[in-house]
Amino acid sequence: EIVLTQSPDFQSVTPKEKVTITCRASQSIGSSLHWYQQKPDQSPKLLIKYASQSISGVPSRFSGSGSGTDFTLTINSLEAEDAATYYCHQSSSFPLTFGGGTKVEIK
Amino acid sequence: QVQLQESGPGLVKPSQTLSLTCTVSGGSISSGSYYWSWIRQPAGKGLEWIGRIYTSGSTNYNPSLKSRVTISVDTSKNQFSLKLSSVTAADTAVYYCARYTYYYGSGSYYLDYWGQGTLVTVSS
Repeated sequence: EIVLTQSPDFQSVTPKEKVTITCRASQSIGSSLHWYQQKPDQSPKLLIKYASQSISGVPSRFSGSGSGTDFTLTINSLEAEDAATYYCHQSSSFPLTFGGGTKVEIK
Repeated sequence: QVQLQESGPGLVKPSQTLSLTCTVSGGSISSGSYYWSWIRQPAGKGLEWIGRIYTSGSTNYNPSLKSRVTISVDTSKNQFSLKLSSVTAADTAVYYCARYTYYYGSGSYYLDYWGQGTLVTVSS
């Protein structure tokens, strides 16, 4: 099983700051890594697919990078509505797995 | 736009079988290159992938649950279902149904749509 390790677990950030969340895979997954945003009492929403590909309707301040085992989600100029928990997810091999999540709080 | 909606009992007794159905609207469950999946999330915790099914009936399950899980599809009703047997309190969670879409650029699937989720509590 591929283990995805996210860091940090929690981040408290001021609006307009830049946020960086990392996801490390226990073995190479190529670019089959996707990022989701989950707000309280809502289902997750796809932000980035295949490490760096943007999704229609997602604000351009969200971007992703990486390949192999190390991946990054970046939120440029954080807005209040970005308060949420962010998860990475690999679709490279079974069983499919998720990272433990990173909670982003707005100061 | 496709929508997914979970339905089923919100309370299940220990040792019994949890049964949920996901109804897909806004498109045929058989059209396109999709897998249909179940994912769960205990309160305040992370996401656990349970398994998925293609409309041909082909399935993949999480080994941690494989002995207790069955996912099936009913294309005539545009639905797919989850059965989880011998449940315990550890199976209490919000259960999501979701869709994986084939991406030709990579030759694999990614998860693009989720249902709103349904809370299932295991308790006597």
